[in-house]
Amino acid sequence: KNEVEQSPQNLTAQEGEFITINCSYSVGISALHWLQQHPGGGIVSLFMLSSGKKKHGRLIATINIQEKHSSLHITASHPRDSAVYICVYGGATNKLIFGTGTLLAVQP
Amino acid sequence: NAGVTQTPKFQVLKTGQSMTLQCAQDMNHNSMYWYRQDPGMGLRLIYYSASEGTTDKGEVPNGYNVSRLNKREFSLRLESAAPSQTSVYFCASSFSGRAVYEQFFGPGTRLTVL
Repeated sequence: KNEVEQSPQNLTAQEGEFITINCSYSVGISALHWLQQHPGGGIVSLFMLSSGKKKHGRLIATINIQEKHSSLHITASHPRDSAVYICVYGGATNKLIFGTGTLLAVQP
Repeated sequence: NAGVTQTPKFQVLKTGQSMTLQCAQDMNHNSMYWYRQDPGMGLRLIYYSASEGTTDKGEVPNGYNVSRLNKREFSLRLESAAPSQTSVYFCASSFSGRAVYEQFFGPGTRLTVL
């Protein structure tokens, strides 16, 4: 069983919608990362969180340490947001565990 | 800055052939990593190098070897390719091996073993 669970696995949205992708992990963390993988394959780091909330443009990432849960929100979604979003958990050993990703398609 | 570069971008091998995937970073990072990505699975760590001169096995090291040639370069070698090694391979680097540091990824190498 993967230590990192993402939901949903697939998500289709209409342009302009508010999107939420969820990530749950099973043990204590030192860091949680959100990555974006474009259709061409390139992987970009969006956020690193160890507590609280971070915002970058239309993207917001939150983490609840007690509930072992993180969310990635996209406001005013756009077709260019179509990508795979990957949650990555980093524990005390500094080993990174990757989720299987959420495939997001934003339709115009 | 080029960031993390990988060569080649695509490769087709026959079973039993060998090849080396090259990776270089120009960010003066200490730690470098090799991952493989297979359909339906998260990225899995093959080998990593926490600092120049050190390498360690990751989650799926069998069938691979690595060399940390210098601080910039980290290569992955398949000595005798098998169809199970068909995958997309990503190299990454970070300032250090601690989980709080962002990893920067190369563009990937798509490898097919026939």
